[in-house]
Amino acid sequence: QKEVEQNSGPLSVPEGAIASLNCTYSDRVSQSFFWYRQYSGKSPELIMSIYSNGDKEDGRFTAQLNKASQYVSLLIRDSQPSDSATYLCAVNGQGGKLIFGQGTELSVKP
Amino acid sequence: EAQVTQNPRYLITVTGKKLTVTCSQNMNHEYMSWYRQDPGLGLRQIYYSMNVEVTDKGDVPEGYKVSRKEKRNFPLILESPSPNQTSLYFCASSLTPRGGGVEQFFGPGTRLTVL
Repeated sequence: QKEVEQNSGPLSVPEGAIASLNCTYSDRVSQSFFWYRQYSGKSPELIMSIYSNGDKEDGRFTAQLNKASQYVSLLIRDSQPSDSATYLCAVNGQGGKLIFGQGTELSVKP
Repeated sequence: EAQVTQNPRYLITVTGKKLTVTCSQNMNHEYMSWYRQDPGLGLRQIYYSMNVEVTDKGDVPEGYKVSRKEKRNFPLILESPSPNQTSLYFCASSLTPRGGGVEQFFGPGTRLTVL
């Protein structure tokens, strides 16, 4: 089992819809969870961080964390074509490590 | 402007020819890290450093060396590059030594091809 797993996609949603991205992790002691967005050929940029169970909202983005299920998700409301990118889930590992999933490619169709 | 810079951005080299990819940050960050990104494998950590003169192996350190003599610089050294090190490389930094627990800022990437 990979330490951080994501559906590779591609996930295709129409403009204005809700995009739902999922991530599971294997290390129960992980405490910090991140969602990065990466446009093709560019570097990852942080869009959400979450540290405690429940929901965290920032504009059109909502991160959800369930530590008991070892599950973290990202919802994007009112999806726009500019949201088309690869979304990377990242989880802190032992020591100073940050472990990434393989990423989910999102395509928002006009 | 606060940023992480990498040089070169693109590099084509041949097997066995030593190379260094530089990374520098101007944010006074304590934590720095190197990743490689390959299709289907995502981002994998090569080495990281929690402070000057402190470095640790990530998940894929074989074939790489790093040094952290100054806070702002964290070069990645390939002593004898091989074709399987062809990849997209990212340097990243974060404010505190809890690098895995706080936001990391990424450089623009270095695309390396080893023939």
